[in-house]
Amino acid sequence: LAKTTQPISMDSYEGQEVNITCSHNNIATNDYITWYQQFPSQGPRFIIQGYKTKVTNEVASLFIPADRKSSTLSLPRVSLSDTAVYYCLVVLDDYKLSFGAGTTVTVRA
Amino acid sequence: DVKVTQSSRYLVKRTGEKVFLECVQDMDHENMFWYRQDPGLGLRLIYFSYDVKMKEKGDIPEGYSVSREKKERFSLILESASTNQTSMYLCASSFGQHPSDNEQFFGPGTRLTVL
Repeated sequence: LAKTTQPISMDSYEGQEVNITCSHNNIATNDYITWYQQFPSQGPRFIIQGYKTKVTNEVASLFIPADRKSSTLSLPRVSLSDTAVYYCLVVLDDYKLSFGAGTTVTVRA
Repeated sequence: DVKVTQSSRYLVKRTGEKVFLECVQDMDHENMFWYRQDPGLGLRLIYFSYDVKMKEKGDIPEGYSVSREKKERFSLILESASTNQTSMYLCASSFGQHPSDNEQFFGPGTRLTVL
């Protein structure tokens, strides 16, 4: 089982905001939290990375509470092309990289 | 653009065969990674390398070995393939001294089937 946990799936409609929360209770003190997006038959692709508080780029926002034991990826106003699997990646306190099992986001018209 | 290429998209091997999966990156990245991806388990790190001839075990190194003789190339070796190694194998690379500091660039994956 993944030590980093996230919901298996989420459904949404075009134009809505999608928030995916990843739990990582044993996160290392000094490492980043990173999120990736994966489409079928492709490797994952970087979306966003942060260490604390809030980070925003042109495609997403990342919210990280002060204790860093979770993180929330926010996709504003999703479209059909945002249908994909989303993964969080952290370094745990045993210094091992840990991906979540992935959240399948399905956007419907 | 960074490009990470993997030698095969699909591979079928028989139990007991020695299998080589090759990965090449063209951006002079220090770090290279091998993952396997299975439904419900996400990506699990097999090995990573932070420099030529250097390697570190990941979560599931058993049954695998790696080789990095040149900076751009990272090979995954299945010494004696077994059916439970049927999976999608993903290679990635990144800049920097620390594996988590920078984004990883992934190859398209190799779907390995062991019969």
